[in-house]
Amino acid sequence: GQSLEQPSEVTAVEGAIVQINCTYQTSGFYGLSWYQQHDGGAPTFLSYNGLDGLEETGRFSSFLSRSDSYGYLLLQELQMKDSASYFCAVRDDYKLSFGAGTTVTVRA
Amino acid sequence: NAGVTQTPKFQVLKTGQSMTLQCAQDMNHEYMSWYRQDPGMGLRLIHYSVGAGITDQGEVPNGYNVSRSTTEDFPLRLLSAAPSQTSVYFCASSSFSGGGSQFFGPGTRLTVL
Repeated sequence: GQSLEQPSEVTAVEGAIVQINCTYQTSGFYGLSWYQQHDGGAPTFLSYNGLDGLEETGRFSSFLSRSDSYGYLLLQELQMKDSASYFCAVRDDYKLSFGAGTTVTVRA
Repeated sequence: NAGVTQTPKFQVLKTGQSMTLQCAQDMNHEYMSWYRQDPGMGLRLIHYSVGAGITDQGEVPNGYNVSRSTTEDFPLRLLSAAPSQTSVYFCASSSFSGGGSQFFGPGTRLTVL
């Protein structure tokens, strides 16, 4: 089975940097994905790490260390619209197993 | 492209009733899946399909059936609704070359009384 841990809540001010950590235990592993979900909305894909290292997409970056079973999502230059839930998800073959999510609240 | 579409958006059922949640995608994706999301929890995989005619169980399959007769459609059937199935249901699709990216539909909010 799959087990993922991420913090439940993070609060930060506009313009700040937030790092959301994700540790996992899996029976199979192809990569780590990150999704964003606003209240009442559907999850939307942010990034994917299939190999160790850093992936950068605009203000968002994601990192993976397969040897440590660890990854993180870095949100830079926080904006009010970044207030949402963020989920890490482990890819095993084509299936995704999701963490419980981290609620990010951005304050003015 | 409409992406992934789901119907209905909202549904209220009585215990014991059956119904089908519809999901369709127009991106020619091979992989489709159904998740349920309960408050404070992540998404849990119910069933998935890697192509027409091929389906398999996910983490929480009990009480649900699926079929995949075409690449585009992947309906989810609730056989005999129970209050424990009150949840938000998301359908998702992806291509095999898409890495870890899945495209999600808008969701169906189901209440079982």
